[in-house]
Amino acid sequence: KAGVTQTPRYLIKTRGQQVTLSCSPISGHRSVSWYQQTPGQGLQFLFEYFSETQRNKGNFPGRFSGRQFSNSRSEMNVSTLELGDSALYLCASSLNSSGAYNEQFFGPGTRLTVL
Amino acid sequence: DAKTTQPPSMDCAEGRAANLPCNHSTISGNEYVYWYRQIHSQGPQYIIHGLKNNETNEMASLIITEDRKSSTLILPHATLRDTAVYYCIVRVDGGATNKLIFGTGTLLAVQP
Repeated sequence: KAGVTQTPRYLIKTRGQQVTLSCSPISGHRSVSWYQQTPGQGLQFLFEYFSETQRNKGNFPGRFSGRQFSNSRSEMNVSTLELGDSALYLCASSLNSSGAYNEQFFGPGTRLTVL
Repeated sequence: DAKTTQPPSMDCAEGRAANLPCNHSTISGNEYVYWYRQIHSQGPQYIIHGLKNNETNEMASLIITEDRKSSTLILPHATLRDTAVYYCIVRVDGGATNKLIFGTGTLLAVQP
């Protein structure tokens, strides 16, 4: 079974631009979560989607947005990029939105560099 | 904010057991203890979780104290490939979210 895939793996953008990152969950998984990882703040939760609905959102500005499609694939978008948005963006998929033993499987991440 | 406290780093000799402690003194009765690890430049990987009984799987053992205020993850025979940051997380199972709140974790360095 293929794991979580994220595209692109590496991305370089300049301040003010926008970026879209993609995540394909494990086949059959309906829940997708996004995390941002920086050296200063560590791993921080961005948002979570289940069946095309946002179930939870972290403490990030409105420049960060996401969506989930009917096939469970998810995208996140960051508009008006700032230098501080440089980070590793991780996507995690799980079978359901909740429940016991709901293991999350993380993708390899997208490394975004903002110049 | 993370509800766990872990030492920032630990060393372990290859082939020996690695014992990683975690303090979660404010854990609630319905919160589970989860352990994930992150090998350099990869996404976090689930290791094990438990409520109050000790748990064991093919990767590790989890020992939770009787008062549930702390736990220890045990890698019985550490290898160089176990070098990673280990995160201890407490969360409610069966809730309406999969959100994980990561702390700063413990960097385990397995030495040859």
